[in-house]
Amino acid sequence: AQKITQTQPGMFVQEKEAVTLDCTYDTSDQSYGLFWYKQPSSGEMIFLIYQGSYDEQNATEGRYSLNFQKARKSANLVISASQLGDSAMYFCAMREWGYGNKLVFGAGTILRVKS
Amino acid sequence: DGGITQSPKYLFRKEGQNVTLSCEQNLNHDAMYWYRQDPGQGLRLIYYSQIVNDFQKGDIAEGYSVSREKKESFPLTVTSAQKNPTAFYLCASSMRDTRYSNQPQHFGDGTRLSIL
Repeated sequence: AQKITQTQPGMFVQEKEAVTLDCTYDTSDQSYGLFWYKQPSSGEMIFLIYQGSYDEQNATEGRYSLNFQKARKSANLVISASQLGDSAMYFCAMREWGYGNKLVFGAGTILRVKS
Repeated sequence: DGGITQSPKYLFRKEGQNVTLSCEQNLNHDAMYWYRQDPGQGLRLIYYSQIVNDFQKGDIAEGYSVSREKKESFPLTVTSAQKNPTAFYLCASSMRDTRYSNQPQHFGDGTRLSIL
């Protein structure tokens, strides 16, 4: 069974600095996708970035980038130039291919940006 | 604008009562999903549906039921058999075609269910 591990329950970062949120995964599949979502205190889930297992380059979306190390089975999210609005819960998720295209979520990391 | 609408935002259930959470999408997505989130935890899959009139159990389906009579709608019923229903419930949808495998699931704003 696929599994996502986020080992950092909570993180603090100073405004304008960069922060890395860790995510490791376990799968026997060769073809898979990794997603990061942001959940503010209001509860909605906001998609941030995607990395496919066959993508040769690390994904980037604005201030978000993914440090994808396939051999280590890690897909860490890097947020550059942190802003107060980045304070939220962040989830790493893996897509199971095949019927359902289900997502398996990690437990999440709470990020607090300090001014 | 296209999106997913969940209602109500807050819901209270009495002991022994069934309650139904609504989820409607206008994204023309084939696949829909229901997740449960407990405080400080990740999302767990309750049920999912790939096409109309078909759905599958997720990891924690006991005490819940669903229907998929229309492509746009995927209501979730929390039955009296679910002994600990207090949680935040999120509905999501996505494209089913694997040509769009990099497309994320889109989520509604959620329903908070509590026991009276």
